[in-house]
Amino acid sequence: DSGVTQTPKHLITATGQRVTLRCSPRSGDLSVYWYQQSLDQGLQFLIQYYNGEERAKGNILERFSAQQFPDLHSELNLSSLELGDSALYFCASSPHGGQGDGGYTFGSGTRLTVV
Amino acid sequence: GDSVTQMEGPVTLSEEAFLTINCTYTATGYPSLFWYVQYPGEGLQLLLKATKADDKGSNKGFEATYRKETTSFHLEKGSVQVSDSAVYFCALNPSGGYNKLIFGAGTRLAVHP
Repeated sequence: DSGVTQTPKHLITATGQRVTLRCSPRSGDLSVYWYQQSLDQGLQFLIQYYNGEERAKGNILERFSAQQFPDLHSELNLSSLELGDSALYFCASSPHGGQGDGGYTFGSGTRLTVV
Repeated sequence: GDSVTQMEGPVTLSEEAFLTINCTYTATGYPSLFWYVQYPGEGLQLLLKATKADDKGSNKGFEATYRKETTSFHLEKGSVQVSDSAVYFCALNPSGGYNKLIFGAGTRLAVHP
């Protein structure tokens, strides 16, 4: 157990629907990162939150949004889902939000299948 | 922009063989460099890291040396085991960046008895 908890582990939904993925960071970590892993795109950085505020944005679609709550858990909302959104979505956390040389702690991911 | 390039897989080896997985990067300044490993059905785990030129990261028999002159961070292991079968990702944290790791495409390693 890495200490980063992601729920649900698996999600199957239809095109056009909306889903919410949840992540609880490791105890004491202030930053949460969301990544999408697909076969053709590899690991793509989506967005980072630090202590409740958006810190960095990557290749996140406008149909996707995220937030980090006061208790530091984070949610990734995916709407108007398309078949191409099927992927593994990983959450990771780290102690810091600024410059650092530490690695992340990853959760085990949520596998989203859009049918 | 900053990027990481890894050798394409899959890499297939026999147990006790020598492993090298090549990784090169493009970045300004002095990024920190990492190797992560992903076992089947699991998330990524930090394997080793190096934060400045000529640093050697090591863990579980794996090693990688930060070579600024060749912008490389190749992963090596002297004798692989079946349990090392996994996908290996090279990554960098840009200098001055906000801990935003940039990953390579990953290299799948399969070790056979």
